[in-house]
Order: sequence, then structure tokens, then C-alpha cells
Amino acid sequence: DAGITQSPRYKITETGRQVTLMCHQTWSHSYMFWYRQDLGHGLRLIYYSAAADITDKGEVPDGYVVSRSKTENFPLTLESATRSQTSVYFCASSESNFRIDSPLHFGNGTRLTVT
Amino acid sequence: KQEVTQIPAALSVPEGENLVLNCSFTDSAIYNLQWFRQDPGKGLTSLLLIQSSQREQTSGRLNASLDKSSGRSTLYIAASQPGDSATYLCAVSPMEYGNKLVFGAGTILRVKS
Repeated sequence: DAGITQSPRYKITETGRQVTLMCHQTWSHSYMFWYRQDLGHGLRLIYYSAAADITDKGEVPDGYVVSRSKTENFPLTLESATRSQTSVYFCASSESNFRIDSPLHFGNGTRLTVT
Repeated sequence: KQEVTQIPAALSVPEGENLVLNCSFTDSAIYNLQWFRQDPGKGLTSLLLIQSSQREQTSGRLNASLDKSSGRSTLYIAASQPGDSATYLCAVSPMEYGNKLVFGAGTILRVKS
């Protein structure tokens, strides 16, 4: 099925561990994004990518690493997980940048708990 | 820095009622504004996108308006149904950084049957 697939849906990890959240889209959209959603903060942009091998920081990038070797994949890695990174993480994509009529499409999210 | 505010934070209405959700933003220099719906445990679904040059967009029972100069948008839902129960978020694309969206905190809507 076309769309965005995030994996895993749920993840529990310990403080200090490295964890990677996966995101795969089948539309061949140029732009991909990682957001985190927390009560009291809403949705905040972590990183985004305009194309393969092009990434840029968002509002809250510290403690996260991204890569985009292929257009369809955009993994997010927490290098050394902290409790403050407990959150719901959403991957999203769009066909072009927001200057143009290009809605944002979201995956179903990964709920990450850091103990 | 662009900020987006949504009022009310929560709303409960009986089925069949027409309702309005409000969104305000602090900087009128935007490319567009999007309204999203989020169901519990799910991602966001784009409902309507209004370009900065447009005044409104319609999709079925939904109508979104944009008054860029005053920094306001409204989402009008006609003849509400229990299936409309969800969180509704608005987001703007600031001209300051066109590849990012700034989201409001959302309005939690409950439509009672």
C-alpha cells in the first residue's frame, strides 16, 4: 500500500542506549520530516530532508541524528537515549516545499519510552 | 518567531450542530495554512490547505477561511457527526523558513450522539 510506514510502533529502551526509528514512504516525495509530539509542546520539528543526502536541523535537533541515503527512507537515531526523549515520533513527507500547494502526509507514529 | 494559537482547547457539541474552530498566528508572512485531523493513536491527516492568496477552501462539510492580514483562520464543520470527533490542528508555513510548519496545540472535538 502507498503511504508512510513507521517502525516500530512501540519501543521501550533504557537510558544511554542507541535506538533507531525507521520511516519508509512509497510516494517518492522529495521532502521528509521528523516531528515529536508532547503534551504541552505540541508538534516540534526535529530534522527534515529536502532530498537524498540533504538534511537540515529543525527546532529540537539535539541528541538526534538522521540520514537519507535513499529517497524513500529517513531513519532517525537517538545516539544515547534520555528520559526527556520519551515521546511520540512522527515521520512525514511532502511532494515539494511548502511554498507550493503541497500538503504534508504523516505516518502513524512511534511511541518511544525511555526508562 | 511565529506562534500559532488554537481556541478553544476542547469542545463538546451535540450531533448535528454547526461549529467553528479558531486558529490565530502572530506573523502574517506565510505561504499557506493547513488544517489537520488527528485520531487517537494515529498520525495527522491533512484536511485543507489554503494558499496565502486564497480566502477559503472547502471539502465536503468542511470550510476553512483565511484572513492573513489579521492572522486568523477558522475551520467550519457543518452538521457535525460523532465520526468528526478528533483533535484538529492548524499549521502555518512561515516565509521566514518555507520548508517548515509551525503547529498549534490543537482543539479536541467531541461530538455526542
